[in-house]
Amino acid sequence: GNSVTQMEGPVTLSEEAFLTINCTYTATGYPSLFWYVQYPGEGLQLLLKATKADDKGSNKGFEATYRKETTSFHLEKGSVQVSDSAVYFCALSALADRGSTLGRLYFGRGTQLTVWP
Amino acid sequence: KAGVTQTPRYLIKTRGQQVTLSCSPISGHRSVSWYQQTPGQGLQFLFEYFSETQRNKGNFPGRFSGRQFSNSRSEMNVSTLELGDSALYLCASSQQGPQETQYFGPGTRLLVL
Repeated sequence: GNSVTQMEGPVTLSEEAFLTINCTYTATGYPSLFWYVQYPGEGLQLLLKATKADDKGSNKGFEATYRKETTSFHLEKGSVQVSDSAVYFCALSALADRGSTLGRLYFGRGTQLTVWP
Repeated sequence: KAGVTQTPRYLIKTRGQQVTLSCSPISGHRSVSWYQQTPGQGLQFLFEYFSETQRNKGNFPGRFSGRQFSNSRSEMNVSTLELGDSALYLCASSQQGPQETQYFGPGTRLLVL
């Protein structure tokens, strides 16, 4: 089946520290991979995506590389800011179970990031 | 382009009542998906509609239903509310389906007392 596992939070960092949030997946076929971010009281915002192996998604200083050999899509940022404090969700879009041609998003449990000044 | 909008943003209901939530997708998007977000279960897929047809359904009881109109707007309905239905309900839209990038609305926060 399809599933996403991401590191448990919360993660607490000082401003300008390096961030890594681990994400691994299992999937049927060739999924697309996403990172979404959720700020308090809001919906999900797409942060970045990658649609095939070795693709690197990047946005606002965040990066993630689609690694098929390790089934991973780890999120990184070289220097976090207080404004990056949020919950981060790793997700994949793949075929639904039982070989359906329809897709849906599968989410990890989310990682709470708090950045202190 | 306007983003995905959801109404109402907040709702308080009591057990046994029913509720209808509305979602207007981004203009030109024909696929609308619904997700339930709770602290205990995380983000769970409810269903997906495309061109007024339900194409995919998650593992929720029949009390949860939805529909999509010809203008792609979608509604979801929960009947006979239970305390455990308290959650943030998120709607997402895309042009053709969830295999593409989905764009999420701000959600409707439902509290069942």
